[in-house]
Amino acid sequence: DAGVIQSPRHEVTEMGQEVTLRCKPISGHNSLFWYRQTMMRGLELLIYFNNNVPIDDSGMPEDRFSAKMPNASFSTLKIQPSEPRDSAVYFCASSLSRGPETQYFGPGTRLLVL
Amino acid sequence: AQSVTQLDSQVPVFEEAPVELRCNYSSSVSVYLFWYVQYPNQGLQLLLKYLSGSTLVKGINGFEAEFNKSQTSFHLRKPSVHISDTAEYFCAVGYQKVTFGTGTKLQVIP
Repeated sequence: DAGVIQSPRHEVTEMGQEVTLRCKPISGHNSLFWYRQTMMRGLELLIYFNNNVPIDDSGMPEDRFSAKMPNASFSTLKIQPSEPRDSAVYFCASSLSRGPETQYFGPGTRLLVL
Repeated sequence: AQSVTQLDSQVPVFEEAPVELRCNYSSSVSVYLFWYVQYPNQGLQLLLKYLSGSTLVKGINGFEAEFNKSQTSFHLRKPSVHISDTAEYFCAVGYQKVTFGTGTKLQVIP
């Protein structure tokens, strides 16, 4: 079975540009999570969805960040406008259902904002 | 509220020696605990989890962890490490919204 798929794997952009990160969860999973990993702050939960509905977005840093899940097989995380401090690895993860389920992580998108 | 403390940021250990990675947690509700491993340039993958029942949990790759409620700990152990165990290990607590610790880098020395 295919795991969680993220694209692009690497993104280099200039400050002020819009960045869109994409995620395809494992088929049949109905919970999806977006994380950001940096050396300084570690692994932070940004937002998570259950059945395509955002449940908790308290980790989204500011209004420049937005996330959508239009259907069960696709989610996006958008940063507009991007800033150098947004440079990080962004992970998407999915799990089978609500509750203390195993989260399956994608390979991550390494974002560098110049 | 929930939190996890991993006191050791780096743990060097010789190959075939035992290792223990420490994790202490805080949770105001039922406790669900996880250990994940991250290899370089990869996402995290589950090693093991404690949901209920036996306090000794066995996971993949020969790792195990013991849930200790009185000490609020969930330390990860392996009796004999291999070079391939070199990675970063994250302890986590939570129901669905999971809080991760800051990670412990295990460096296995040949």
